[in-house]
Amino acid sequence: QSTLTQPPSASGTPGQRVLISCSGSISNVGTNTVNWYQQVPGAAPRLLIHSDNQRPSGVPDRFSASKSGTSASLAITGLQSEDEADYYCAPWDDSLNGVVFGGGTKLTVL
Amino acid sequence: QVQLVQSGAEVKRPGASMKVSCTASGYIFTNYDINWVRQAPGQGPEWMGWMNPNSGKSGSLQKFQDRLSMTRDTSANTAYLELSGLRFDDTAVYYCARNPWGTYGLFDFWGQGTRVTVSS
Repeated sequence: QSTLTQPPSASGTPGQRVLISCSGSISNVGTNTVNWYQQVPGAAPRLLIHSDNQRPSGVPDRFSASKSGTSASLAITGLQSEDEADYYCAPWDDSLNGVVFGGGTKLTVL
Repeated sequence: QVQLVQSGAEVKRPGASMKVSCTASGYIFTNYDINWVRQAPGQGPEWMGWMNPNSGKSGSLQKFQDRLSMTRDTSANTAYLELSGLRFDDTAVYYCARNPWGTYGLFDFWGQGTRVTVSS
């Protein structure tokens, strides 16, 4: 059971906007930057967003993220079938002295 | 291009040790930390620890500290993860991932993963 809470599932139709939340505490999200990863079955996670809201090169601008207090969120606009994957938030945790991953959100494109 | 290539799948008995390698190419190996992340079947990723290939300094989650060893061979641009006293719940895919200095949880390139099965 992760110290970060994400909804286990989310869904949307092509073209829609989807929001995935990540709720933590002062020791992780509240103090440290949040990174987001996308993982399709059978593959390694892929860095989607780093430093709360920065997109690495190659990540479409349909993906964005924000943070407020001890909660962070990932937004996907113009949903596409290829976005169907698991999504994880991952900040450093000062209490654990390590990186903590959220429980993950499975996104289904209907 | 940046690549992290890991060693092949392993099957181990309970109590045995595992050693996974991660060979880097396409960048200066000693300029980035290497982290290890594992993922049990049907579960999310679990961060295990980090190592600075330049100094050899490392850190890990407390739950692993007494049986985890992270080493490197800079002449071969290779990092190693060794986990001893294997238990059934150590069955997982083990990933190495690169992270830029001064960042935390930012893993910009990953290895392909090494499946380790602990079975009697």
